[in-house]
Formats: sequence, C-alpha cells, structure tokens
Amino acid sequence: GNSVTQMEGPVTLSEEAFLTINCTYTATGYPSLFWYVQYPGEGLQLLLKATKADDKGSNKGFEATYRKETTSFHLEKGSVQVSDSAVYFCALIIQGAQKLVFGQGTRLTINP
Amino acid sequence: NAGVMQNPRHLVRRRGQEARLRCSPMKGHSHVYWYRQLPEEGLKFMVYLQKENIIDESGMPKERFSAEFPKEGPSILRIQQVVRGDSAAYFCASSPRGGGGLQSSYEQYFGPGTRLTVT
Repeated sequence: GNSVTQMEGPVTLSEEAFLTINCTYTATGYPSLFWYVQYPGEGLQLLLKATKADDKGSNKGFEATYRKETTSFHLEKGSVQVSDSAVYFCALIIQGAQKLVFGQGTRLTINP
Repeated sequence: NAGVMQNPRHLVRRRGQEARLRCSPMKGHSHVYWYRQLPEEGLKFMVYLQKENIIDESGMPKERFSAEFPKEGPSILRIQQVVRGDSAAYFCASSPRGGGGLQSSYEQYFGPGTRLTVT
C-alpha cells in the first residue's frame, strides 16, 4: 500500500540552527510529494511540493528533494526562526488518485 | 478570496448524540475532501465528494458516518450516535479539480478544522 513515515518528534532547536525532518515513503504508483505546515489553531498550508524524481521543492527557506532511489523527501532549512514553530506533515498523492496520504507529523519548536 | 471555511471550530457532544460538521469550499472549487486527525496521529482520508456525488468513500467508517455535498450549500459530515473514539480534529479540503494531476489546479486547500470532543 501507500504510506509515509516521518521522523519522530517533537523536535526542539535554537534559533538559527539547521533543521532536517526526515520523511520516507512507500508507494504502489508514482507519487507526488508534499510538505504541509500547521501553525497553532490553523489548518494545513502547503509548504512545498515535488512531482517527479530529483525535483527540488522550495519555499520560505525550506527545501526538499524528491529522491526516488531512497524513497525519501527530507525537509531542510539552513537557519530556523521562532516563527517556524509548527507541526510539519509529509504527504504523498498517487497520480490519478484523489487522496493525500500523510505521515504522523513532526512538532517543531524553535527557542529564541 | 476567502479560504475554506469550517464550522463549528469546536464541537462538544455527549455519547449517543449526533454531530454535524460543515465545510464551505473556496470559491470556484467543486471538489471536497474530508480527513480525520486522531490525537498524535497524521491525517487520514475519509471521503471525496463532488457536487451531489460521492466519488470515493473508502476511508469512511461503515456505520454512523455519512457525507454529502449538495448542489447548494456546504458539504456536511454527519456522525450519528457519537462515541468517545470519534473525538478528533476533522479537516476539510477543497480543490478546483480532482484526479491528482500534475498541475496546481488539483492542489487541496485545507480549512482550519473542527475539533470534536465526545464526553
């Protein structure tokens, strides 16, 4: 079946630290990959996406590269800010399907 | 352009009561998706609807749960005879098109969710 596994949380970092949140997937078809972010009390917002192997999605200083050989889509940011504190979800959708498959989420807290 | 609207934001029901959750998609969107987030878990797909049609309900529990998206008005997720295990956050998303295609037109935009608590 289709599934997404994320790095266990919560993750706590100091401001300006380097961030990596690991995400790996299994898929029966050819997936598109996403990172969503959920700020406190809000719905999910699309952070970035990649639709084919070796694509790099980027937004707001975050990056993730679609690695087909390792079935991974790790999220990185070079220097985090307090405002990046949120829950981050990795997700996939199989082309032609309608439903997103989510990882369990990683809670990130950035301390000043 | 208003985003996806969900109401109520918080809903408390006693065991055995009915819960009705509403979702108004973004303007111009005719595809609606419902997801459930149990405590400390990721979101799980429940159902995908277009206007007046249920397209995929493979994630819906077989009993007590139903969904509709009428020609006029919001999409409704209805839970009859709620139990404590139904306590969760329910998220609605909408898109202008379905099918998981490569273009941005299929992207799902999420509402803020309804947090259901069953006492």
